[in-house]
Amino acid sequence: EVKLLESGGGLVQPGGSMRLSCAASGFTFTDFYMNWIRQPAGKAPEWLGFIRNKANGYTTEYNPSVKGRFTISRDNTQNMLYLQMNTLRAEDTATYYCARRSFSRHYFDYWGQGVMVTVSS
Amino acid sequence: EIVLTQSPTTMAASPGEKVTLTCRASSSVSYMHWYQQKSGASPKLWIYDTSNRASGVPNRFSGSGSGTSYSLTISSMETEDAATYYCQQWSSNPWTFGGGTKLELK
Repeated sequence: EVKLLESGGGLVQPGGSMRLSCAASGFTFTDFYMNWIRQPAGKAPEWLGFIRNKANGYTTEYNPSVKGRFTISRDNTQNMLYLQMNTLRAEDTATYYCARRSFSRHYFDYWGQGVMVTVSS
Repeated sequence: EIVLTQSPTTMAASPGEKVTLTCRASSSVSYMHWYQQKSGASPKLWIYDTSNRASGVPNRFSGSGSGTSYSLTISSMETEDAATYYCQQWSSNPWTFGGGTKLELK
């Protein structure tokens, strides 16, 4: 069974940093692109970026809205996905999800339960 | 960036009623994907590659469309179908979602 479990959220002050983690299980982690997606309360999801699979060299792509502030990485020995967020703003307040991209197509076939990040003083 | 506009924003349907949700793209896309989200839960893949039901999705759900206009149809509304539905595309960075249609039970 595919499982994705995020952790690391909470309250952070504007201008601060936070790292989110996502523990993956139930599938061959290195075969899949992994994504971060966020969703402010009552709003639509926003794709933040992905890190490619082993076959594609684990390279990254980001939404221009967060490029330069957010960094996605993975530890393939631990089946972990990370999102490092810097210079946080109030508008970054949202539930953050990790999601697996389907093996060969651009849709998200599994999502984690999400972790809340609140940016406030 | 390709903008996806969903309509209606909110609607209510009675059990047994046919429901059609629409997603329009600001530029042509090759495929559209749909997600169902219930309150307090993560989105779930519902329809992929325009017209394929994800695992476990009832066959009363169908998807269609091409170019800039796509739709999700429920042939006969059931209680459990009340949820918010989002469309999503990948044509170029960034992958984008529509604003969602909240479907309520009448």
